[in-house]
Amino acid sequence: EAGVTQFPSHSVIEKGQTVTLRCDPISGHDNLYWYRRVMGKEIKFLLHFVKESKQDESGMPNNRFLAERTGGTYSTLKVQPAELEDSGVYFCASSQGRDFGKLFFGEGSRLTVL
Amino acid sequence: DQQVKQNSPSLSVQEGRISILNCDYTNSMFDYFLWYKKYPAEGPTFLISISSIKDKNEDGRFTVFLNKSAKHLSLHIVPSQPGDSAVYFCAASGGSNYKLTFGKGTLLTVNP
Repeated sequence: EAGVTQFPSHSVIEKGQTVTLRCDPISGHDNLYWYRRVMGKEIKFLLHFVKESKQDESGMPNNRFLAERTGGTYSTLKVQPAELEDSGVYFCASSQGRDFGKLFFGEGSRLTVL
Repeated sequence: DQQVKQNSPSLSVQEGRISILNCDYTNSMFDYFLWYKKYPAEGPTFLISISSIKDKNEDGRFTVFLNKSAKHLSLHIVPSQPGDSAVYFCAASGGSNYKLTFGKGTLLTVNP
C-alpha cells in the first residue's frame, strides 16, 4: 500500500513568489491534514479536510495560504505571496475516520523563502 | 501559548537501559494523547496512544503512562535499542476534534 506522498520534497523561492505544495493521501482515507514545522519548534496544525470539505482551517496563518482538495483525493497548499516566515517543513497526513489520532504522515515538503 | 510541553530537548541513554520521555499539558479539554517518532528527513510515525480513561497503555517495549491530575504523561522504552534513536513528539487532542497539538519534541539518542 502506498503511503502519503508529497511533492516537491524541497522548494527554494524568493519572497513574493508563489509556491504550490501537493499531497496524495493514502487511498481510501477521507481525512487529510496539513501541518507545519518551523525549525526547531512544534508541529502545528494548519487545516483538516474530510473528503473535499474543509472541516477545520483554524490553523491557517493568514489569507496568503489557500488549501484545496479536489474531488476528495489529492490536496494542494498554495502560498501566495510567500514571506520569509513561511519557511519550514509542511507535512501532509491522512487517516481513516475510525483510527482517530493515528495519522499517516508524508515525508514533508521543505519550503525555503529567501 | 504552548499547550503541550516537552521540556527536555534531548536525552541520551545506553543500549539496553530504560528511556523515559516526558510530556506535560495545560489544556484540561485534552482527552487523547499520542506519541510519534520521527527520523531525519521522514515524516512522523505513530507509535502509541492513550485515552484519558486509562492510566497506562503498553505495546511491546513501549509503555505510555498518563497522570491526569498532574497533566503529565511519559513514554517508557524498555529495553532501549540504537534504532530507537529519533525525535519523539508528544501530541494531544480534545473531544471530537481531530486536530492534534504537538510538543516541540525530544531527541533520543541510544548509544551502543
